[in-house]
Amino acid sequence: AQKITQTQPGMFVQEKEAVTLDCTYDTSDPSYGLFWYKQPSSGEMIFLIYQGSYDQQNATEGRYSLNFQKARKSANLVISASQLGDSAMYFCAMIKAAGNKLTFGGGTRVLVKP
Amino acid sequence: DAGVIQSPRHEVTEMGQEVTLRCKPISGHDYLFWYRQTMMRGLELLIYFNNNVPIDDSGMPEDRFSAKMPNASFSTLKIQPSEPRDSAVYFCASTDDRGRYNEQFFGPGTRLTVL
Repeated sequence: AQKITQTQPGMFVQEKEAVTLDCTYDTSDPSYGLFWYKQPSSGEMIFLIYQGSYDQQNATEGRYSLNFQKARKSANLVISASQLGDSAMYFCAMIKAAGNKLTFGGGTRVLVKP
Repeated sequence: DAGVIQSPRHEVTEMGQEVTLRCKPISGHDYLFWYRQTMMRGLELLIYFNNNVPIDDSGMPEDRFSAKMPNASFSTLKIQPSEPRDSAVYFCASTDDRGRYNEQFFGPGTRLTVL
């Protein structure tokens, strides 16, 4: 069975600074995908970034980058130059390549301070 | 293009009543998912469909829950009878397997409160 662990329930970050959100996963499948979603206080789920298990390079999308360490089974999200609008819950999720079921971690709440 | 549409956005009902949640996926998407979010259990998959056929319903909590997808543009999640522990935010999501990332696009959710 797949499992996603996010060990940081909440954290503060100063505006304009970078923040790293931890995510570790457990799977026996050789092929899988890792996602990060953002959930602001309004409640919607917003896709941020994706990393495939066979991708050679770490994924980047604007201010978001994914620090993928396959041997350690970690997929940490780095948000650079934090903005007030980054205050939200962030979820790490995994998907089997062969299926489409997403397994989510418990989430990390980020609060950006001005 | 419109995103995933869910209705109602908020539902308050009394224990024992039937509740029906509705979802319209993004046009062209052939996978549809129902997730539930609670403080205690986080985000969990209830059921998902591919080409209108249920593929995995192992997350459906019990027989009180049922889901249907009569066509490619509509799905329902029904709870009968509802109980206070069913109070949660229910998300519908859709995707296809032709995109770059195959990310799931989520609807705004239905916040259900069972009194």
